[in-house]
Amino acid sequence: KNEVEQSPQNLTAQEGEFITINCSYSVGISALHWLQQHPGGGIVSLFMLSSGKKKHGRLIATINIQEKHSSLHITASHPRDSAVYICAVKETSGSRLTFGEGTQLTVNP
Amino acid sequence: GAGVSQTPSNKVTEKGKYVELRCDPISGHTALYWYRQSLGQGPEFLIYFQGTGAADDSGLPNDRFFAVRPEGSVSTLKIQRTERGDSAVYLCASSPVLAGGPSSYNEQFFGPGTRLTVL
Repeated sequence: KNEVEQSPQNLTAQEGEFITINCSYSVGISALHWLQQHPGGGIVSLFMLSSGKKKHGRLIATINIQEKHSSLHITASHPRDSAVYICAVKETSGSRLTFGEGTQLTVNP
Repeated sequence: GAGVSQTPSNKVTEKGKYVELRCDPISGHTALYWYRQSLGQGPEFLIYFQGTGAADDSGLPNDRFFAVRPEGSVSTLKIQRTERGDSAVYLCASSPVLAGGPSSYNEQFFGPGTRLTVL
């Protein structure tokens, strides 16, 4: 069992739909990242959070430390949101990030 | 300001050859990380530098892999006797100085990666 698990692995939506991607982890963490990766491109950090909720434009990230679960929501999805979304956690000890396998999101016009 | 840069962007080599991959972190960032991402998977940690020293190299898969950061800025990941299984995207990330001791953590900024193909 991976320390960081994401669901779903693949997600196809129509433009305008509300998107939710989930991340569960099994270790103690001090921070959690949501990252975006476009095909052939580098990784962009969307959020880093350790508690509560953060919002940036149409993106919302929440985390429940007790339940070891985080969600990334995209409101009013758009084809340009199509990318791989990766959850990564920074464990309480050490400085490395442990990554989920990513969720491939495709938003069709 | 410039972000993290990596060169080359693509590298094709033959099995058994030696390769070097370079990472230029954001100026002033003392922490530097190397990750490897195989096709269809999330990145995996390789090594972490704090300044010039490797603070954690437990992710290096074997002794064919080595990384240096002699002046605390640019880092080079070196792979000897490359194998087809080494084919992946090698990602570098940097973050600012850690404040508040070992339990503190600053956001990591990623480079575009180097796609390594071993034929």
